[in-house]
Amino acid sequence: AQKVTQAQTEISVVEKEDVTLDCVYETRDTTYYLFWYKQPPSGELVFLIRRNSFDEQNEISGRYSWNFQKSTSSFNFTITASQVVDSAVYFCALSEAVGSGGSNYKLTFGKGTLLTVNP
Amino acid sequence: SQTIHQWPATLVQPVGSPLSLECTVEGTSNPNLYWYRQAAGRGLQLLFYSIGIGQISSEVPQNLSASRPQDRQFILSSKKLLLSDSGFYLCAWSRGFDNSPLHFGNGTRLTVT
Repeated sequence: AQKVTQAQTEISVVEKEDVTLDCVYETRDTTYYLFWYKQPPSGELVFLIRRNSFDEQNEISGRYSWNFQKSTSSFNFTITASQVVDSAVYFCALSEAVGSGGSNYKLTFGKGTLLTVNP
Repeated sequence: SQTIHQWPATLVQPVGSPLSLECTVEGTSNPNLYWYRQAAGRGLQLLFYSIGIGQISSEVPQNLSASRPQDRQFILSSKKLLLSDSGFYLCAWSRGFDNSPLHFGNGTRLTVT
């Protein structure tokens, strides 16, 4: 069965520090997708990134970067120069195909990491 | 552009009362639809998903049911609420291909008293 582990329950940093959120996953699928979502205090889930299992190239988007390592089944997320607005719960998620045809899927989420950035 | 609407935003219901939460998507056709619940402890649990009208898959045996009467409408229901049904319910949609991201509604915070 699919499994996503976010071992860090809570992280607290001071503004401008760099912080890395860990994500380890388990799957038997050869093709899969990994995702990160942000949930600010308002509650909605905001999509951040999707990564294909065949693409191990790291990605950078502004202060955000993601490190995908298939050999260790990890998909870690780093925020550089953190800001107070980065305070949120961050979820890592793994796709699993459902039904026939291979075009539909569902997401299995980790339990999330609460990041608090203090001024 | 696509939008997802979920209502109500908050709901307080007594134990034993019925429940109906509605979710609609605009700007797309034949989306995959999902209901997730986030209880204390923050984890997101998939309750139901649907890949087409009238096609509902249940992930966890429970006191809830889901229906999809129209292509872009997804309803979460219960005949009799339990205290354990309290939580934050999130509806989401995705395109039915290409492992596209799930896009979530703003959620409904349900408190069963």
